Amino acid sequence: NAGVTQTPKFRVLKTGQSMTLLCAQDMNHEYMYWYRQDPGMGLRLIHYSVGEGTTAKGEVPDGYNVSRLKKQNFLLGLESAAPSQTSVYFCASSYSNTLAGVYNEQFFGPGTRLTVL
Amino acid sequence: GDSVTQMEGPVTLSEEAFLTINCTYTATGYPSLFWYVQYPGEGLQLLLKATKADDKGSNKGFEATYRKETTSFHLEKGSVQVSDSAVYFCALSTPGRRALTFGSGTRLQVQP
Repeated sequence: NAGVTQTPKFRVLKTGQSMTLLCAQDMNHEYMYWYRQDPGMGLRLIHYSVGEGTTAKGEVPDGYNVSRLKKQNFLLGLESAAPSQTSVYFCASSYSNTLAGVYNEQFFGPGTRLTVL
Repeated sequence: GDSVTQMEGPVTLSEEAFLTINCTYTATGYPSLFWYVQYPGEGLQLLLKATKADDKGSNKGFEATYRKETTSFHLEKGSVQVSDSAVYFCALSTPGRRALTFGSGTRLQVQP
């Protein structure tokens, strides 16, 4: 049981290049999330998915696209990378949240460190 | 909107010292509160949580009490170890919201 895995672990891009970050989970979770972590700002939600074939915007979605073609995978794409996208990207997954406020723990991957020159 | 404020770090302590990391929040609705820990080179792990006022979350010697009157969820440990060196994040979740709101994180360094 690998939990949440992310590839690649590190990447350096030039401005304008594109890339895709892959997240995979083997816990059969319905929900998946992409966050970015920047110094002094904690984690901010980029996009999330509540199930296969669905995606939604988080608080900082500009410049990113996502896809969830399979339940276990959640892809984050950068079509034209910018230096402002230099960050550490974390994927997370959880069972479905409930509107009653009962929280289902989010499980995080190890992160991808991306540098855009 | 929702927000979480944590004390700035780094916090540097000697082994066996007492730890407090302050966390306060603002939220619409009745939030659940969490502490996550990030060890060097790893992702975040849930350390403890509390889902209603006056609840105390605890794990691995760490504790935090949900104080609705002061909107706080301070993390404490009576005797820290070198292995506790990590970044600690306070976070909240409100009913119906799909993701967590995180504080900026507090780095703890424990010296032998």
